[in-house]
Parts: sequence; C-alpha cells; structure tokens
Amino acid sequence: DTAVSQTPKYLVTQMGNDKSIKCEQNLGHDTMYWYKQDSKKFLKIMFSYNNKELIINETVPNRFSPKSPDKAHLNLHINSLELGDSAVYFCASSQLPLHEQFFGPGTRLTVL
Amino acid sequence: DQQVKQNSPSLSVQEGRISILNCDYTNSMFDYFLWYKKYPAEGPTFLISISSIKDKNEDGRFTVFLNKSAKHLSLHIVPSQPGDSAVYFCAASAGDNFNKFYFGSGTKLNVKP
Repeated sequence: DTAVSQTPKYLVTQMGNDKSIKCEQNLGHDTMYWYKQDSKKFLKIMFSYNNKELIINETVPNRFSPKSPDKAHLNLHINSLELGDSAVYFCASSQLPLHEQFFGPGTRLTVL
Repeated sequence: DQQVKQNSPSLSVQEGRISILNCDYTNSMFDYFLWYKKYPAEGPTFLISISSIKDKNEDGRFTVFLNKSAKHLSLHIVPSQPGDSAVYFCAASAGDNFNKFYFGSGTKLNVKP
C-alpha cells in the first residue's frame, strides 16, 4: 500500500499546454504539500493545505493552482506551461504538529 | 537566496567507516531540523530529526549534531553500509509555521564495498 501516491510519474508536454498532477495520501494526515525540485536539486515548498485550507502559498506564478477536494487529495494544475516549469514535483503529507513529512515518488515534468 | 546549504554535492566513503554529511543554515529563527534520505526515482524518506533545544540526537547508526552558534548541523553514519548510498537532504523550519521547511540541495553519498 503506497502511503503517498502521485500520478503521472512522468509527464512530457508542449509549451502552452495545461496539465494536472494528482496526489493522494492514505495516511489520514491533515496536511499536504507540493514541492518543486529544480535543476539545482533544491526542494522548494510551493503550497500547503491543512484540512482543505491553503496555509502556505509561496511566491509561485499564478499559472499554478492547487486544489484540495478533500484532505486525502491535493492536485496541482498548471496552465500555459513554460520551459522553466520542467522539474520534478513532489507531493508530501504530514500530521501537524508532528514535523515529519511523507513524500510521494515524484512527477518528472518535461516541457518541450 | 538559499537559507539551507549543503556545500558538498557528493561524498564517497568506504564500507564500515564513518560518513559525515554537513549542512549550514543562515536563519537564526530555525528551530527544528530534519534529515531525509532519497533513493533514485523515489521520494525523500525521513531519517532523523533534532530540535534546537538539543545538540545531539541518536538513532541507531545515525547521529545528528547541531551547533547553533555556528548554524551548522551534521549527520554521522557509523558504520556506513552500501545500502546507505543515496542522496541526503537536510531541512530546517522556523517555529510552528505549518511545517514550512527549507531544504538543502542534497549530498550524494556513495558507500563503497
């Protein structure tokens, strides 16, 4: 049983397209996150939701829109994809106030 | 401007010896630190943590040391095993800020048999 799952694992698309990445966790956690791992390998927080409410919203282009239909799911929709959006995107979850975060396997997005 | 830095992109160690991975941070408000381990094509997995009220935390072969005055932490793995070969990330958080962690760029550890 995968604790945090992401689909798709790989995503190759053209510039200008709109795409979504889905994330689901079966750990019963209240809080979910999206991270971007850029070409320099830094993991940077993008968004966090706690019980379906946005609690962290970093400086991210508004082409990125997270959606949390319930506390087990946090999807990431990206409009008008750009070359610079190519990265690995990781979803994670945690149970506040505990600090440990559980990560999904990542989605490698390539924009051509 | 990266607030958490891992200045060694890679480290190679002989099996059985000690591995020391280093991490520096700039924000004096950071009070909780985590180390994660990451294998290729997988997400990071939690390894060990330390709160700023401590200067050492140990879990089996893994020990994390925190030097607040130097804004430096290190992860010691003793003895190193080939299965420890992975990328290690350190992460830091300030206060109870909804678990907003800042990650370093990782150090790739290679443990040679």
